[in-house]
Amino acid sequence: GDSVTQMEGPVTLSEEAFLTINCTYTATGYPSLFWYVQYPGEGLQLLLKATKADDKGSNKGFEATYRKETTSFHLEKGSVQVSDSAVYFCALGGTTGANSKLTFGKGITLSVRP
Amino acid sequence: DSGVTQTPKHLITATGQRVTLRCSPRSGDLSVYWYQQSLDQGLQFLIQYYNGEERAKGNILERFSAQQFPDLHSELNLSSLELGDSALYFCASSVVVGPGAEQYFGPGTRLTVT
Repeated sequence: GDSVTQMEGPVTLSEEAFLTINCTYTATGYPSLFWYVQYPGEGLQLLLKATKADDKGSNKGFEATYRKETTSFHLEKGSVQVSDSAVYFCALGGTTGANSKLTFGKGITLSVRP
Repeated sequence: DSGVTQTPKHLITATGQRVTLRCSPRSGDLSVYWYQQSLDQGLQFLIQYYNGEERAKGNILERFSAQQFPDLHSELNLSSLELGDSALYFCASSVVVGPGAEQYFGPGTRLTVT
């Protein structure tokens, strides 16, 4: 079945450091890929998405490129801020018909220190 | 604020009891999804409704049921509760269905079973 693998966490960075969070997936067909962020005590917020191979999703300085050949969707940011501290989830969408369910990775906690 | 509302925010109940969680989707969204977030299982898709009809089912226990009403709000009913049902339950909604559908999450209901 469909699955998402995220790198083990937690991750702690200093402000202005470069961020990479790895995500790989297994799916039949061609899923859409998403990154969601969860701030403490809140629900999930859609950060960015990509719907086909080589698409790049971007938002708030974060970027991720849909790499079909490596089945990956790594999240990057050039310079993190303290306010980026949160849990980040990689997810893949359904691949057929009206199936929209999201399959999530385990999530990774990012802490950014001043 | 995603526009998705969930009530109650917190719920504490005893084993064997039954509870109902409520979700109102964003204005105009026809599809509603339910997810369970627990420490051991992570984020798991439970069930999806579209315009009142069940569209997809995930890892939803037989003790759990859901429905979507004509005004598009949805309820998740959990019965014969066990300690292991303690979790955060999220509702999400989307305007379209299909692989690329963007889901917007509510703040969640934290269920504690004692």
